[in-house]
Amino acid sequence: AQKVTQAQTEISVVEKEDVTLDCVYETRDTTYYLFWYKQPPSGELVFLIRRNSFDEQNEISGRYSWNFQKSTSSFNFTITASQVVDSAVYFCALTNAGGTSYGKLTFGQGTILTVHP
Amino acid sequence: SAVISQKPSRDICQRGTSLTIQCQVDSQVTMMFWYRQQPGQSLTLIATANQGSEATYESGFVIDKFPISRPNLTFSTLTVSNMSPEDSSIYLCSGEDRNEQFFGPGTRLTVL
Repeated sequence: AQKVTQAQTEISVVEKEDVTLDCVYETRDTTYYLFWYKQPPSGELVFLIRRNSFDEQNEISGRYSWNFQKSTSSFNFTITASQVVDSAVYFCALTNAGGTSYGKLTFGQGTILTVHP
Repeated sequence: SAVISQKPSRDICQRGTSLTIQCQVDSQVTMMFWYRQQPGQSLTLIATANQGSEATYESGFVIDKFPISRPNLTFSTLTVSNMSPEDSSIYLCSGEDRNEQFFGPGTRLTVL
């Protein structure tokens, strides 16, 4: 069975601080995809990134960066110089890359990020 | 990337009634899914909507309670049947497009 753990339930920072959201996963599959989504107060789920299990390169997109380490089964997300607009719930998710479970996302419990001005 | 719309965006319903939620994708997608997000909780997969055949339900979800249709590659419906207050949730449709999964804006359902 797959499992995604986001141990940080809530994080509160002041604007311009850097913040890292942790994600640890469990899967027996050798090929899988990891995702991060943002859910602002309006409720829609915004896709941020997808990472293939074979690609361990870290990725940077503007103020966002992701650190994928298979050795520790972690896929952490860092926001640099946080802004008030970053306040949202962030979800980490996992799916198989093939088989009957392909496409079915297993979500972590989410981390509520609040950025104060 | 695919754009997904849902109707209605929100509804307030009486217990014992049923509500059908529509999901429309602006391009053909191979796979479509329905998720539920109970208040303050994470997302849980209800079922995979299969085009032209019966949906595949996850453990804890049954067809009689959540009948799903998918007549083509761009459209699906989820019905929440015989509703109770415990069904109050956000229901989200998603589509898989080139190994990326996109979500609709969700339907906020409140059952009184």
